[in-house]
Amino acid sequence: DSGVTQTPKHLITATGQRVTLRCSPRSGDLSVYWYQQSLDQGLQFLIHYYNGEERAKGNILERFSAQQFPDLHSELNLSSLELGDSALYFCASSAGNNEQFFGPGTRLTVL
Amino acid sequence: AQSVAQPEDQVNVAEGNPLTVKCTYSVSGNPYLFWYVQYPNRGLQFLLKYITGDNLVKGSYGFEAEFNKSQTSFHLKKPSALVSDSALYFCAVRESLWGQNFVFGPGTRLSVLP
Repeated sequence: DSGVTQTPKHLITATGQRVTLRCSPRSGDLSVYWYQQSLDQGLQFLIHYYNGEERAKGNILERFSAQQFPDLHSELNLSSLELGDSALYFCASSAGNNEQFFGPGTRLTVL
Repeated sequence: AQSVAQPEDQVNVAEGNPLTVKCTYSVSGNPYLFWYVQYPNRGLQFLLKYITGDNLVKGSYGFEAEFNKSQTSFHLKKPSALVSDSALYFCAVRESLWGQNFVFGPGTRLSVLP
């Protein structure tokens, strides 16, 4: 158990809908990262938050957004969903420049 | 910009034989290097890291990796493979600047055959 929790574990929704994925980092970790893992594109970095502030954006679509709250949990919002958004979404947390600890992921299926 | 390459999509090795999973990187500064393993339907698990110091790094489950600055490589090794080592392995790099992000390689699928 990495200490990072993600909910929900599975999510099935329809095209055009909006969903919110939640992540709680390890105790004391200020950094939260979001990744998308699909079969054909590997692990893609989406966004990084540090102590509530956005630090870096990767390959994140404009339909996607995220935030980190004062209690350090983070939410990833995906809107106007398309079939191609079906993937595993991982959250990871880290302390400083150390290794990342990954959550178990949320499997999103868009029908 | 930092980047990571894992030149082999798939590595097959017989149980008991040594294994190597290759990784090369590109960064403008000093690299922080990491290896992660992913088992089916699971998140990535940290195996080991190189920050500074000894070029041979030992990690979890008997894995080790060798940092080679001149070849910009960080290959993952294990002297004797187990069937249970079969998984997807990711190499990652981060520049040693605060706020820089991790870049992951595309992954290498390791199959250890009994």
